[in-house]
Amino acid sequence: DGGITQSPKYLFRKEGQNVTLSCEQNLNHDAMYWYRQDPGQGLRLIYYSQIVNDFQKGDIAEGYSVSREKKESFPLTVTSAQKNPTAFYLCASGTLGTGIHEQYFGPGTRLTVT
Amino acid sequence: AQSVTQLGSHVSVSEGALVLLRCNYSSSVPPYLFWYVQYPNQGLQLLLKYTSAATLVKGINGFEAEFKKSETSFHLTKPSAHMSDAAEYFCAVSANTGNQFYFGTGTSLTVIP
Repeated sequence: DGGITQSPKYLFRKEGQNVTLSCEQNLNHDAMYWYRQDPGQGLRLIYYSQIVNDFQKGDIAEGYSVSREKKESFPLTVTSAQKNPTAFYLCASGTLGTGIHEQYFGPGTRLTVT
Repeated sequence: AQSVTQLGSHVSVSEGALVLLRCNYSSSVPPYLFWYVQYPNQGLQLLLKYTSAATLVKGINGFEAEFKKSETSFHLTKPSAHMSDAAEYFCAVSANTGNQFYFGTGTSLTVIP
């Protein structure tokens, strides 16, 4: 059963702690993405990666870090430097090259920091 | 640069009525356009996509969208709303190079019985 998995579904942390969100895909996609979703703001791109061991900052990368050691995995760390980390985080993947390539989304992780 | 604007953050329709969700795009190159649906606390699911093959695009669940270059629009419609259509809908644009998407702020659809 191919798809994207994100774990956990809900995550609670105390302010000042780093937390890592998991994203795994078995679709053999080259590209992977992390988005943050806040009410009324749509999806904002945090980081994306088009190849193993390489990634680029999106529009709101400050306070976040990622790694891409394997094609299938793209974990996101929310650091204590992120001033407002409570949000819904979505991971996506897609193919690359010429032509149209839709993105496929995981179920999301809701992070609450108090 | 690419961007999308979704007019109306909340839309309410009666069950059986026409659904019309608006999306206008801005793109410096011929765009690829998408509509996604999101149910509460879930990820996004692709409804349909515009690839320039046809201006009227049919998607899943009875939805369709029409690309109008002169109006830079890609509005989503469904002739008859069902209760199960209540969700958040996102329009997105991508340039034909690379794969970075730009999402609108979303439209929340409520279906009134």
